[in-house]
Formats: sequence, structure tokens, C-alpha cells
Amino acid sequence: ELKVEQNPLFLSMQEGKNYTIYCNYSTTSDRLYWYRQDPGKSLESLFVLLSNGAVKQEGRLMASLDTKARLSTLHITAAVHDLSATYFCAVDEGKIQGAQKLVFGQGTRLTINP
Amino acid sequence: DTGVSQDPRHKITKRGQNVTFRCDPISEHNRLYWYRQTLGQGPEFLTYFQNEAQLEKSRLLSDRFSAERPKGSFSTLEIQRTEQGDSAMYLCASSPGQGKRNTIYFGEGSWLTVV
Repeated sequence: ELKVEQNPLFLSMQEGKNYTIYCNYSTTSDRLYWYRQDPGKSLESLFVLLSNGAVKQEGRLMASLDTKARLSTLHITAAVHDLSATYFCAVDEGKIQGAQKLVFGQGTRLTINP
Repeated sequence: DTGVSQDPRHKITKRGQNVTFRCDPISEHNRLYWYRQTLGQGPEFLTYFQNEAQLEKSRLLSDRFSAERPKGSFSTLEIQRTEQGDSAMYLCASSPGQGKRNTIYFGEGSWLTVV
């Protein structure tokens, strides 16, 4: 059974600092997703990582995937208050022919203080 | 493209009542998913449709839960004889076309509170 673990679960940081959220998963997969969720809202897609060594960047966020280590990271550069949210990684279990079945981590609740 | 639409957004119901949620996926997305999210947790997969065919169901989907997508467009999720443990946000998602490289787009969710 695929398990996805994120750490840390809670992160409070100062504006302008850098930090990394880690996502580990237990079985082989080469499709990993990062989502952002604001309180009471749905999930906003950030990145889709499809192969070993994939790196994607959007603004102050950068995600990478190491399928051999079963590890993805979400790096935040020079954090700003607007990035405060809960971030989820999700891994495709790969058991549905032709579609995706995502297993989510518990989420990392990120608070950025002025 | 108006995004994935869900209705109602909030529902409070008494234990034992039946509730139904509706999802309208993004136009021309033939894949539709239902997930459930409880407070402080990540979403959990419930079921998946390819057009009108329900191809995958989670063990979380007890016999009190039923989902349909009769014409391959909108979908409904019905919960019969609701229990307090059913309180959660029910998320619908859709994705397009062939292959597994596609982003999955989530709706705003339907909050269910069972009292």
C-alpha cells in the first residue's frame, strides 16, 4: 500500500527566508503532484512532476523529484506572506489503467510572518 | 472554461438522512474523480469515472455511498443513512483525455456536517 509522508507538518517562518518541504513515498511511482490549499478552499495545482530528476519552478516555488530516493521537495525562496497556505504532495498510485489515483500526504501548514 | 463546479457548497443534515452532491466537471474532461477530505488531513480517493463507466471504487466507499455519472457529463454522489463520521468535505475533480500526464483539477468542494 502506497504511503505518502510530508515533513514538516507545520512550518512557521519569517518573510524573506528560504525553506524546504519534503515528501517521501513508499512505493515506486514516477508521477507526483504538488497542490496548495487555502483555508476552506479547494486545491490549486502547483506542479506535476513526471520523471526522475524533474525540476519545475514558478515564482518563489521550486519542486523536484527523485524517483530513486522516492523523494520530492518543494523549495520556497524568499518567502512572502501570500504563500501562507497548506501544501500537499500527492503520488499517483498507478493502479488505474489510463488515469490517475492520487494518494495524498497529510499536508504542510505553512505560516509566513512579516 | 468555468472550472469544476460542485453543489451544494455546504450541507447540514441530521443523522440518518440521505444527501446528494452534484459535480459538473470541466467541459470535455472525460475523467471524473471523487475524494473526501476531513479536517487536518489530505484528500482520500473515493471513486473514478471514465465517461459514464465507474472504473474504480475505494474500500472507503461503503454500501451507503453511491456515485453515478449517467451521461458521462455531471456526476452525483449520494450518501444514504448519514452518520456523524461522514462529516467531511467531498471534492470532485476532473482531468482530460488520454495518458497520465494531465493535471487533475479540483472543485471547490461540498462541505457536509452530520448532526
